[in-house]
Amino acid sequence: LAKTTQPISMDSYEGQEVNITCSHNNIATNDYITWYQQFPSQGPRFIIQGYKTKVTNEVASLFIPADRKSSTLSLPRVSLSDTAVYYCLVGDETSGTYKYIFGTGTRLKVLA
Amino acid sequence: EAGVVQSPRYKIIEKKQPVAFWCNPISGHNTLYWYRQNLGQGPELLIRYENEEAVDDSQLPKDRFSAERLKGVDSTLKIQPAELGDSAVYLCASSERQGRYNEQFFGPGTRLTVL
Repeated sequence: LAKTTQPISMDSYEGQEVNITCSHNNIATNDYITWYQQFPSQGPRFIIQGYKTKVTNEVASLFIPADRKSSTLSLPRVSLSDTAVYYCLVGDETSGTYKYIFGTGTRLKVLA
Repeated sequence: EAGVVQSPRYKIIEKKQPVAFWCNPISGHNTLYWYRQNLGQGPELLIRYENEEAVDDSQLPKDRFSAERLKGVDSTLKIQPAELGDSAVYLCASSERQGRYNEQFFGPGTRLTVL
């Protein structure tokens, strides 16, 4: 079963860059890596998705090394509103259909 | 554009009672998902629909859980009878398509408390 490993929690200060690393040793050759953000009492929200090297959008960057066994979500200059749980996802096809497996996520706390 | 709509937002019931949750996905999204999220954990997929067909219900506890998406639009998830361990947040999500590079849009969830 596809599985990801992330730190349980992280603290940071406003204005700093935050990097959250995810380990996914069993990632399939054709699989993508996706990150979601979840605030309390809300559903998860898509942040970014990538396959290899580097992907950047208006809110984050995703760094994926050549072996693709890990990935790093980078949040530039975090603010208090970035306090949330961040999930790294890879897919799983062992049941015959493709689906994402959510792990326990990383709880990021941004301090003033 | 309206997001994924879920109702009710909160529900408190006694064990052995039935309960139902409703979800209306984003217009045009053919794929609909129901997840269960326990406190401090990530969402767990219960069932996925492609239009009106349930294509993955391997994690749905079929002895007490049922779901339907009769016209391929909105969907209902039912629990009968509810047990104490069913207390959780039930999330609905939708996406334009299935597969490895889709973006899922989640609703706010229904928080169920079983007493």
